[in-house]
Amino acid sequence: GDSVTQMEGPVTLSEEAFLTINCTYTATGYPSLFWYVQYPGEGLQLLLKATKADDKGSNKGFEATYRKETTSFHLEKGSVQVSDSAVYFCALISGGYQKVTFGTGTKLQVIP
Amino acid sequence: DTGVSQDPRHKITKRGQNVTFRCDPISEHNRLYWYRQTLGQGPEFLTYFQNEAQLEKSRLLSDRFSAERPKGSFSTLEIQRTEQGDSAMYLCASSSTGGRDEKLFFGSGTQLSVL
Repeated sequence: GDSVTQMEGPVTLSEEAFLTINCTYTATGYPSLFWYVQYPGEGLQLLLKATKADDKGSNKGFEATYRKETTSFHLEKGSVQVSDSAVYFCALISGGYQKVTFGTGTKLQVIP
Repeated sequence: DTGVSQDPRHKITKRGQNVTFRCDPISEHNRLYWYRQTLGQGPEFLTYFQNEAQLEKSRLLSDRFSAERPKGSFSTLEIQRTEQGDSAMYLCASSSTGGRDEKLFFGSGTQLSVL
């Protein structure tokens, strides 16, 4: 079945540091890939997505590139801010495109 | 667009009791999902509706769980004879897109504690 593996957290960075959160996947068929974010006290929301190989999703300074050869979708940001502190979930949809499968989440804490 | 609403926000119950949660999706969203999330884990798929039809149900879901979406609007999730292992955050999400561009809008969840 489908699965998503994320690097374990928490990840603690100083403000303006470079961020990478690793994500790899196993899927039937040809999945679309997503990053969702959950800010403290809020519901999950879509951060970015990529629907085919070599696509780059981007939003709010975050980027992730769909790498089919390595089955990866790593999240990056060049300079994190305190407001980026949240839990980040990698996810995919595949097969009959009926359900979204999530990873376990990576907590990011950015300190001033 | 008032967002996805879930009720109640918190539910404390004794083992063996039945509980029911409600989800009101964004109006005109035809797809509705239920997920369960435990501490330190990602959302785990439970079931999915397209309009009023329940199209998929997780094999992890026991017969004690049932979900409905009458008239394709709000949805309810019932857990019968609750067990301590049912304690979790129950999340509802809705969407209007589907397919490869699926975008889920999540509610804030119902936190269930089974004593």
